[in-house]
Amino acid sequence: EAGVVQSPRYKIIEKKQPVAFWCNPISGHNTLYWYLQNLGQGPELLIRYENEEAVDDSQLPKDRFSAERLKGVDSTLKIQPAELGDSAVYLCASSLRGGDNEQFFGPGTRLTVL
Amino acid sequence: AQSVTQLDSQVPVFEEAPVELRCNYSSSVSVYLFWYVQYPNQGLQLLLKYLSGSTLVKGINGFEAEFNKSQTSFHLRKPSVHISDTAEYFCAVTSSGNTGKLIFGQGTTLQVKP
Repeated sequence: EAGVVQSPRYKIIEKKQPVAFWCNPISGHNTLYWYLQNLGQGPELLIRYENEEAVDDSQLPKDRFSAERLKGVDSTLKIQPAELGDSAVYLCASSLRGGDNEQFFGPGTRLTVL
Repeated sequence: AQSVTQLDSQVPVFEEAPVELRCNYSSSVSVYLFWYVQYPNQGLQLLLKYLSGSTLVKGINGFEAEFNKSQTSFHLRKPSVHISDTAEYFCAVTSSGNTGKLIFGQGTTLQVKP
């Protein structure tokens, strides 16, 4: 069974440029999460989807960040425009549903903003 | 609000020695507790979880953890570590009534030396 797929694995951009990350969850997983992981820190939830509905986006900086999961399967996270402080690893995870279900994590996208 | 504190940022240990990685949490409600491991340039992988029942939880790769409600702790242990256990370890908590938002600690780097 394929795991959570993320692309690209690495991205280097200049500040003020837009960037997008893509995630394909494990087949059949209804819940999808985007996490931000700063260097030396634990992941922090940005947004959680149940199917195509964003049920928790309270930590998503909506002035520059946006996300979508149009058909309830794969998802895209976008930053526009990127700032130096956005340099981090962006992790995608999925689970069968929320609650106590195990979250399976992708390898992440490492973003460097110059 | 919930929080997780991992008391050691780095734990150096010799191969075949025992190890304990400490985790304390804060919550006003019942919780689920998790330990994840992250190898370099990879996503997080679940080691074990406590949902209810026995306070001693066994996980993969010979790890175990004990839930102590009175001390609000969930320390991770392994009786004999291997070089391959070198990684970053994250403790995480979610409320038992929550639909999956994990709060992670800052992480502990386990460095196993030959």
